[in-house]
Amino acid sequence: QKEVEQNSGPLSVPEGAIASLNCTYSDRGSQSFFWYRQYSGKSPELIMFIYSNGDKEDGRFTAQLNKASQYVSLLIRDSQPSDSATYLCAVIPTGGFKTIFGAGTRLFVKA
Amino acid sequence: GAVVSQHPSWVICKSGTSVKIECRSLDFQATTMFWYRQFPKQSLMLMATSNEGSKATYEQGVEKDKFLINHASLTLSTLTVTSAHPEDSSFYICSASSPGRNRNNEQFFGPGTRLTVL
Repeated sequence: QKEVEQNSGPLSVPEGAIASLNCTYSDRGSQSFFWYRQYSGKSPELIMFIYSNGDKEDGRFTAQLNKASQYVSLLIRDSQPSDSATYLCAVIPTGGFKTIFGAGTRLFVKA
Repeated sequence: GAVVSQHPSWVICKSGTSVKIECRSLDFQATTMFWYRQFPKQSLMLMATSNEGSKATYEQGVEKDKFLINHASLTLSTLTVTSAHPEDSSFYICSASSPGRNRNNEQFFGPGTRLTVL
């Protein structure tokens, strides 16, 4: 079982819709969770981090964490074509500092 | 915000030569730096973790004698690809973290270096 799993996609949504990206992780004791966005040919950039159960909102982005289900998600409201990228879920497992990345989900927002 | 730079942004070299890539944290002291490699349409692959003043920890399958990592200061880490071959052509990305700076241990990525070995 992979430590951090994501659906590779591509996920295609129309402009203005809500894009929902999902991620599961295997280490139940993980404490820190991150979402990075990576445009083609560029390095990842941090969008959000979350470490408490529940929702965390930042502009059009909402991260959701459910530690009991070992599940973290990212919602993008009012999706724009500029949101088209690969979204990487990342987790720092128990007692560690090394970040474990998922393989990423490719998102296409159609104009 | 935390800014990490890499130099060069791209490099083309002949097979058999060595290439050095620099990673700098510009506005914070990075106690830990990570080196990743990413092939086209694939995910990030962690190569090694380096802590200032100590030897790097390499991931399984990564040749430490081929990919030399030096983390001589809290703001600079270098990756040297020795005797590069065409299969080493990839996108190399560094990231920096400073646990004392932020309790979430997020990593800040450099812009990456695209290496092409002819």
